[in-house]
Amino acid sequence: EAQVTQNPRYLITVTGKKLTVTCSQNMNHEYMSWYRQDPGLGLRQIYYSMNVEVTDKGDVPEGYKVSRKEKRNFPLILESPSPNQTSLYFCASSLRVAGSYEQYFGPGTRLTVT
Amino acid sequence: AQSVAQPEDQVNVAEGNPLTVKCTYSVSGNPYLFWYVQYPNRGLQFLLKYITGDNLVKGSYGFEAEFNKSQTSFHLKKPSALVSDSALYFCAVRDRGSNSGYALNFGKGTSLLVTP
Repeated sequence: EAQVTQNPRYLITVTGKKLTVTCSQNMNHEYMSWYRQDPGLGLRQIYYSMNVEVTDKGDVPEGYKVSRKEKRNFPLILESPSPNQTSLYFCASSLRVAGSYEQYFGPGTRLTVT
Repeated sequence: AQSVAQPEDQVNVAEGNPLTVKCTYSVSGNPYLFWYVQYPNRGLQFLLKYITGDNLVKGSYGFEAEFNKSQTSFHLKKPSALVSDSALYFCAVRDRGSNSGYALNFGKGTSLLVTP
């Protein structure tokens, strides 16, 4: 089944404790992206990757890191999480970098930082 | 710069009635336009998209959307709403001529509630 998977689905952590949210897609998609969803703000892009070893900042990259060492994986790293990073996070992928290709979303990771 | 506006936080419709969820956009060039739906505790699912051609686009679950270039709108519609259509709906735009990093700009979402 074609899908985007994220782990963990739920995470409660404390300020400053490094964490990684994994994202994997099995569709051989070039483009992958991370979003955060906050009430009243919709989805905002954190980072995106156009292909292996090619990443760039989205609208709200502060406090986050990403890597793209393999085509299928695009982990999101929070080196020192803070309470303002409490949010619902979505990973997405699409076949090509630009144009009319729709994105496929993972199920989401709900992160709480205390 | 590109942006999307969904002017209604919530839309309430009785089952069986037609529904409309509004979306307006702003891009410097010509747009690609998308609608996504998010059910509770789920990721976003693609509903439909406008690329070019016919202004009326048909998508999944009986939804359709009408592209109106003069009004810069892309409203989502369904002739007869179902209770199971209750969800959060997002409009998104990408400027096809932009080098803005290929970002897909999302609206803030509209919560659709269909009552029996």
